[in-house]
Amino acid sequence: AQSVSQHNHHVILSEAASLELGCNYSYGGTVNLFWYVQYPGQHLQLLLKYFSGDPLVKGIKGFEAEFIKSKFSFNLRKPSVQWSDTAEYFCAVNARGNAGKSTFGDGTTLTVKP
Amino acid sequence: DGGITQSPKYLFRKEGQNVTLSCEQNLNHDAMYWYRQDPGQGLRLIYYSQIVNDFQKGDIAEGYSVSREKKESFPLTVTSAQKNPTAFYLCASSGTTSSYEQYFGPGTRLTVT
Repeated sequence: AQSVSQHNHHVILSEAASLELGCNYSYGGTVNLFWYVQYPGQHLQLLLKYFSGDPLVKGIKGFEAEFIKSKFSFNLRKPSVQWSDTAEYFCAVNARGNAGKSTFGDGTTLTVKP
Repeated sequence: DGGITQSPKYLFRKEGQNVTLSCEQNLNHDAMYWYRQDPGQGLRLIYYSQIVNDFQKGDIAEGYSVSREKKESFPLTVTSAQKNPTAFYLCASSGTTSSYEQYFGPGTRLTVT
C-alpha cells in the first residue's frame, strides 16, 4: 500500500522568507507525484505535478518541487513567500497502474505574516 | 465554464437518516472520486469510479454507497451505518490517461446530530 508523510503540520513564516515543505512517500514502484493547494475559501487545486522527465518541476506562483527517487521525496520549495501564499498544502502520490487512486498526506498549513 | 459542482454547501441531518450528496462535472472526465476531509487527517478516499456503471471502494468505504449511472454524475449516499458521518466531503474528477491529476469541487460540509 502507498502512504504519504508530510513533515510539518503548521509552518509560520514572514514575507520574503524561503519555504520548504517536506513530503515523503512509501511505494516501491513508479509513481506520479502532486502538490495541491487550498487557499482560504477556494477549491483544492493543483499546484504542480511530476509525471516523468526532469525531476525538478515548476508550478504556479513561483513554486517548484524536486523528485528525489532515492529518498522517496518530493519536497515543495519557494524562494520568497508572499502573504497570499497562506494556504493548506497537500502532497499526493498516485502509483502508476493504480487507476488514479491517489493517497494524500495530512496537509501542511502555511501562514505567512505580512 | 468547466468544473465540478457539489450541492449543497452545508447539509444538516438527524442521526439515523441517510443523506445523498450531489457531484456533477462538465469536464468530460471518465474518472470521479469521493474524499472525506477531517481536520489534521488530509483527504481519505471513500469511493472512486473509472467509468460509467463501475466503481471501486476506497480506503474508508464502510457506511457509504455510490452510483455512476451517468458520466457527469457521481452521487454519494452517507448511510445510517456510518458511525461518524460529520465531515467535509470533497468530490473530484480526472482523466484516465497520463498522470490522473484531479480537479476538485467546492465540497459539502455535512453535520449529523
